[in-house]
Amino acid sequence: ETGVTQSPTHLIKTRGQQVTLRCSSQSGHNTVSWYQQALGQGPQFIFQYYREEENGRGNFPPRFSGLQFPNYSSELNVNALELDDSALYLCASSLLLAGVGINEQFFGPGTRLTVL
Amino acid sequence: DAKTTQPTSMDCAEGRAANLPCNHSTISGNEYVYWYRQIHSQGPQYIIHGLKNNETNEMASLIITEDRKSSTLILPHATLRDTAVYYCIVLNFGNEKLTFGTGTRLTIIP
Repeated sequence: ETGVTQSPTHLIKTRGQQVTLRCSSQSGHNTVSWYQQALGQGPQFIFQYYREEENGRGNFPPRFSGLQFPNYSSELNVNALELDDSALYLCASSLLLAGVGINEQFFGPGTRLTVL
Repeated sequence: DAKTTQPTSMDCAEGRAANLPCNHSTISGNEYVYWYRQIHSQGPQYIIHGLKNNETNEMASLIITEDRKSSTLILPHATLRDTAVYYCIVLNFGNEKLTFGTGTRLTIIP
């Protein structure tokens, strides 16, 4: 059983650029959630993907978007990067049955994004 | 989801029990108490969850007061590897949107 993996581990971008972060879910899981963690803060929920569709969204603007693929892996895309987007981006996979989570979320190690 | 209050930081001697409190006075009847922890430079890790009965697993015990307004996470024999930020989260079972606060930074002292 493989765990949740994320790529890249670190990334540096400049303001206004676009970025794509990737997440591979744990074997047997069908759901991926994305979180943003600023320095010294707890993770903040961005959105979740289930059955290749967005299944809930936190308080983040539309320039944060995502995709989920048939193999349940996922991408997080951020357009028009701002300095405040600098953070650790975490993905978590879990198993939903009929839209209800039945186990805990398993987190990846995160991608550290720095926006200059 | 109900809001939680945790101390900012705590210390515990290695080998002793670490008791981490959490207040959730506005918890509703169908909300569970979840605990996650985050070791430095890693993603959060699930520890345990419960509704109203005390729970125990291989990592920890969870004690929930009878009125469910507070709970305590107990690490029975703390090791240096238990140094982490511990998050108490209250939410409906099956709700996947975890709302993390700032947590308790637990430091295990050799």
